[in-house]
Amino acid sequence: QVQLVESGGGVVQPGRSLKLTCAASGFTFRSFGMHWVRQAPGKGLEWVAVISDDGSNRYYADSVKGRFTISRDNSKKTVSLQMNSLRTEDSAVYYCAKRRSSRYEDYFDYWGQGTLVTVSS
Amino acid sequence: DIQMTQSPSSLSASVGDRVIITCRASQSISSFLNWYQQKPGKAPRILIYAVSNLQSGVPSRFSGSGSGTDFTLTISSLQPEDFATYYCQQSYITWTFGQGTKVEIK
Repeated sequence: QVQLVESGGGVVQPGRSLKLTCAASGFTFRSFGMHWVRQAPGKGLEWVAVISDDGSNRYYADSVKGRFTISRDNSKKTVSLQMNSLRTEDSAVYYCAKRRSSRYEDYFDYWGQGTLVTVSS
Repeated sequence: DIQMTQSPSSLSASVGDRVIITCRASQSISSFLNWYQQKPGKAPRILIYAVSNLQSGVPSRFSGSGSGTDFTLTISSLQPEDFATYYCQQSYITWTFGQGTKVEIK
């Protein structure tokens, strides 16, 4: 069965960095794009970043562009999110999600359990 | 950016009620509209993709419809396990979620 397990969350001071990792299993990892989505406490879902199956294409939400970097290691079946210059408004649960897409559909079919990032002095 | 607006933001309903949640996109998104369910403390779960396609394992009381900019999620007979927050999402240009609709027990 598909499993996505995030790690790396914690408490960090504003302006510092943190790297999240998502370990995947149960599917052919190298064949699917992967996303990061976040959810601030008590708030809705916000898409953060996506990386294509081979890592050649990456897109970011405007709110994190230039500060966050998504990457993947297909040999290790992991996708990562390097978060730099963190702000208090980046505090959220961060989910990784598997992309399912074709010409007529594009959705997130599996999600991890999330990892909490708290940016606070 | 494409904005997604859901209504209502919350609703109270009873077991057995028919529930309809609407989602409006700020521009046409063709059929790239998905619905997710999220329960407290849990990750979201895909319910319906591409407007009206039920994800495997999702009960048939859930259905979706719409086109262009206006879409609906219908729960034909609300069950106790359906009390949750529902999000629409467009995937036509990048990805954007609606603000969510919380379905509470009446």
